Amino acid sequence: EIVLTQSPGTLSLSPGERATLSCRASQSVNNNYLAWYQQKPGQAPRLLIYGASSRATGIPDRFSGSGSGTDFTLTISRLEPEDFAVYYCQQYGSSPWTFGQGTKVEIK
Amino acid sequence: QVQLVQSGAEVKKPGASVKVSCKASGYTFANYYIHWVRQAPGQGLEWMGRINPNSGGTNYAQNFQGRVTMTWDTSIGTAYMELNGLRSDDTVLYYCARTGTTRGTYYFDYWGQGTLVTVSS
Repeated sequence: EIVLTQSPGTLSLSPGERATLSCRASQSVNNNYLAWYQQKPGQAPRLLIYGASSRATGIPDRFSGSGSGTDFTLTISRLEPEDFAVYYCQQYGSSPWTFGQGTKVEIK
Repeated sequence: QVQLVQSGAEVKKPGASVKVSCKASGYTFANYYIHWVRQAPGQGLEWMGRINPNSGGTNYAQNFQGRVTMTWDTSIGTAYMELNGLRSDDTVLYYCARTGTTRGTYYFDYWGQGTLVTVSS
C-alpha cells in the first residue's frame, strides 16, 4: 500500500500569511490521483482539491494544489480565520485508498 | 442537495457486532460508490472498504477482512457497515463517504456526519 507522509505536523501561522503543506508518497501515485481535505473539530472532512490540482466546487481560489509522482503540495495563499484546521492528503490511484497523518494549521 | 445521513451513536460490549447505516439523498444512489472511513479520537483517517450499490460488489481493506460486511438497500437509498468481534480499539468515529465509479473520480466528495461507536464492558 502507498504510505503518505505529511509535513510539517503542525504549522503555526498568522492570518494573512501563506501556508505550504507537503505530502510525500512512498511510491508514485497513479495519474496523480491525490486529494486534499480540510477537517475542523467536530466536523467531517471537506474535499478541497482532487487530481492533485483541481479545486472542488465552492472552494476559494486561495487554495491551490500542485505536484506529481511522489511529491505534492497544498498552498493557502493568504490564511483566513476559518482556514485554521487539520489538512489531510489522500491517494486514490490504487487500492487501498490511504491518507496522510494530517497537518494542523494553528494560529500563531 | 446531496446528503449522507448516518445512524446515531452506539455503545457495544467487547465481542459484539455493530451495524451503522448511511442514508443517501439528493442523487441517484446506484451511480456512486459508498465507502466507510474511520477515525480514532484526535487521530487520522483509515479507509475500511467500499460497496458498489449498482452491483453489490465490495472491496475491503486487509485490516478488516473477515470482520466487516458492507451491504446496501437501493429501494431506500441506504448503505450499511457491520463490524463484528468488536474490541476496545474499535471505539472510533465511523464515516460513510461517496465517490464516483471511475478511477479518476475515486475522491470523497460528500461525507456523512459520522457515527461514534463506543466499545466498553
